[in-house]
Amino acid sequence: QVQLQESGPGLVKPSQTLSLTCTVSGGSISSGGYSWSWIRQHPGKGLEWIGYMYYTGSTNYNPSLKSRVTISLDTTKNQFSLTLSSVTAADTAVYFCARISRNDYGANYFDYWGQGTLVTVSS
Amino acid sequence: DIQMTQSPSSLSASVGDRVTITCRASQTISGFLNWYQQKPGKAPKLLIYAAYILQTGVPSRFSGSGSGTDFTLTISSLQPEDFATYSCQQSSTSPYTFGQGTKVEI
Repeated sequence: QVQLQESGPGLVKPSQTLSLTCTVSGGSISSGGYSWSWIRQHPGKGLEWIGYMYYTGSTNYNPSLKSRVTISLDTTKNQFSLTLSSVTAADTAVYFCARISRNDYGANYFDYWGQGTLVTVSS
Repeated sequence: DIQMTQSPSSLSASVGDRVTITCRASQTISGFLNWYQQKPGKAPKLLIYAAYILQTGVPSRFSGSGSGTDFTLTISSLQPEDFATYSCQQSSTSPYTFGQGTKVEI
């Protein structure tokens, strides 16, 4: 059973960089066919996709955040990470990591999720 | 970006009721539509992918249909554990986008 767990600071100051890590267990992030993604949810709001990294290292980011986002994989630790620079109060949200699977017909879907971690941007 | 609009935003129902939630895309997404269930303080859980394929382990009272721009999630007989928020998500075109959610309340 694949499990994902987010970790990182719960409080970040405005203009600084938010850094989160997702530790994956029960499967290797370097095994073929999966992408590793970050999604966030502002308090009381819907879900917003941030971006993903394919196991080969290619990335795809939401254009609304692209200039500030980096997603990377650490295959030695079976982890992937999110950095979001120049944060403001608008980046306060619960951040989820998730695995993207793809079926034979090209349909992508988030099938495993971490529990989520609240990050508050405040001085 | 493709806008995903769910209706209703919330609904009240009773155990045993048949519940239908609609999701409309702002442009055609073929069948690249997924449904998730989320309970307060928890991560979303995948229910249905590719519009109608039931994720392993999800009860058969959940079903999905639709293609193009209009999709439906149906719960055939609502159970106490089904009271939650349901969200649709398109994976046809980047950026992936979600609906605003439908809260199913008692």
